[in-house]
Amino acid sequence: QITLEESGPTLLKPTQTLALTCTFSGFSLTTSGMGVGWIRQPPGRALEWIALVYWDEDKRYSPSLKSRLTITKDTSKNQVVLTMTNMDPVDTATYYCARKLDRGGGFDIWGQGTLVTVSS
Amino acid sequence: DIQLTQSPSFLSASVGDRVTITCRASQGINSYLAWYQQKPGKAPKLLIYSASTLQSGVPSRFSGSGSGAEFTLTINSLQPEDFATYYCQQVDSYPITFGQGTRLEIK
Repeated sequence: QITLEESGPTLLKPTQTLALTCTFSGFSLTTSGMGVGWIRQPPGRALEWIALVYWDEDKRYSPSLKSRLTITKDTSKNQVVLTMTNMDPVDTATYYCARKLDRGGGFDIWGQGTLVTVSS
Repeated sequence: DIQLTQSPSFLSASVGDRVTITCRASQGINSYLAWYQQKPGKAPKLLIYSASTLQSGVPSRFSGSGSGAEFTLTINSLQPEDFATYYCQQVDSYPITFGQGTRLEIK
């Protein structure tokens, strides 16, 4: 069974740094083509892709957020970590991690998501 | 960035109806398009990838077509569990982008 689960803080103050961990099972990020990405969704709004890391350390970021983002993987722990600096109330959203089987495919398995609220 | 525009944004239909949702890209994306279904409070579910390939376990009443810059998702014989929001997504180039969503509601 393939699962992904997001974990991290649920409430942050403006200017703080968010660190989210995606812990997965049932697949390996050493498998050729495999990737894990982050997607967020503000309340009542559409999905927004944030970042992606592939098995070969290829890392991709949303240009609008790139200066604030870092994505890393730990294959020994089956984890992917996303950090986002200088959080703002507009970053309030449900953050999802999801598996991507190859560079040309969609995200086939998703975590349940974690709501992150940014408020003073 | 490649913009994806879905139409309609809102769709009202009845059980048993056939519905079509369109996704237009601001430039050609070959067939690197996926469709997702999302229900309230739940994560999106992959329905279709590579424009027309049905994800394993997805009912055959869902189908996708198109290439280049115009794509469609068709649902034949709507079932009660199909009422949800649908998103298209392009993976042809970075940044990966999503459409704004189509909300499908029961008439």
